[in-house]
Amino acid sequence: EAGVAQSPRYKIIEKRQSVAFWCNPISGHATLYWYQQILGQGPKLLIQFQNNGVVDDSQLPKDRFSAERLKGVDSTLKIQPAKLEDSAVYLCASSKKTGGGETQYFGPGTRLLVL
Amino acid sequence: QQQVKQSPQSLIVQKGGISIINCAYENTAFDYFPWYQQFPGKGPALLIAIRPDVSEKKEGRFTISFNKSAKQFSLHIMDSQPGDSATYFCAASRSTGRRALTFGSGTRLQVQP
Repeated sequence: EAGVAQSPRYKIIEKRQSVAFWCNPISGHATLYWYQQILGQGPKLLIQFQNNGVVDDSQLPKDRFSAERLKGVDSTLKIQPAKLEDSAVYLCASSKKTGGGETQYFGPGTRLLVL
Repeated sequence: QQQVKQSPQSLIVQKGGISIINCAYENTAFDYFPWYQQFPGKGPALLIAIRPDVSEKKEGRFTISFNKSAKQFSLHIMDSQPGDSATYFCAASRSTGRRALTFGSGTRLQVQP
């Protein structure tokens, strides 16, 4: 079973530029998450999708961040315009509900550096 | 009320020793408590998880102890090996609705040979 795929793996941009990240979840996983992991911290949720609908985007800075999941499969996360504090690893995770809880499978992440 | 507090921030253990990492949560709606292991340049990977209806779960060298009344849980790594050197995150979530994980701040474990 292929894992969660993310691209690009690394991105360097200047502040005020825009950037987009792509995620392909594990086949059959209806739930998709985007997390932001700042160096030295635990991942923090940005947005949760169930199929192609948004379940939770309460922590997404909507003035600059947007995300979509067309057709309930792939997802893109966009930042426009980027700020220095957006430098982080952006992790995509997917899951399917299991009886005793939910295992979230993470991709390798996209490391973003904003200069 | 969404916080998960994790300690210690870093831990050095000799090969063969026991590594212990502690976490505390506030939100009583949480009912799923996983531990994730993360190596540099990789995404977090599930190590072991527990639900609050049991006080302990063991998988190989890894054991979670759970204290519902104290709202605390811990990870014990027995016979720690150099290959266990990684960052460990505790997390908590609800099992319905908004199931996103709330992570602790992480513990960097170094197992010395």
